[in-house]
Amino acid sequence: DAKTTQPNSMESNEEEPVHLPCNHSTISGTDYIHWYRQLPSQGPEYVIHGLTSNVNNRMASLAIAEDRKSSTLILHRATLRDAAVYYCILRQGGSEKLVFGKGTKLTVNP
Amino acid sequence: GAVVSQHPSWVICKSGTSVKIECRSLDFQATTMFWYRQFPKQSLMLMATSNEGSKATYEQGVEKDKFLINHASLTLSTLTVTSAHPEDSSFYICSVVLRNQETQYFGPGTRLLVL
Repeated sequence: DAKTTQPNSMESNEEEPVHLPCNHSTISGTDYIHWYRQLPSQGPEYVIHGLTSNVNNRMASLAIAEDRKSSTLILHRATLRDAAVYYCILRQGGSEKLVFGKGTKLTVNP
Repeated sequence: GAVVSQHPSWVICKSGTSVKIECRSLDFQATTMFWYRQFPKQSLMLMATSNEGSKATYEQGVEKDKFLINHASLTLSTLTVTSAHPEDSSFYICSVVLRNQETQYFGPGTRLLVL
């Protein structure tokens, strides 16, 4: 499984944008970039995913580098409820498996 | 609303007993379910893939005789931790993949404490 690299932790202030980076230099052409987040003592929650083009949904935006070797999850206005561990995961095309790395623990300050 | 439920949400048992955890897909047929384990301050570790009507596929290093998985219907998968020991204490999480969807929906998790 292709690996991803994320910072262990990041901090943000409430109502400010947050950019969570992810490096995936060994990504293959059929790998999808998925982001999930996990709030304390809960199961993970889907955030967003993409293949090549940038994606937007009600939760976040995903910016994918042109060479696809990195991506950035963007929370446009962080709230206290966004404090969680964010996982960047490469899912192989044709496979449903997700292999979780260590993720980035996001702290949102009031 | 929730797509996936787990029961129980937490369980305490004595060493040597077996514990069954249920994972239900609510209102949706799930051809594939996954079981994960998460130790404190660590990431999720995939244990096995549960396919309806067939044997589960276990990840390397996961004992299939220790962690019995049954996926008897399109909405229910069970994980039985047999002869549980304190080192099996963990947060067990299931997820489902719905037909023709890209995402996984995760259950709320079951916290197991083996004394």
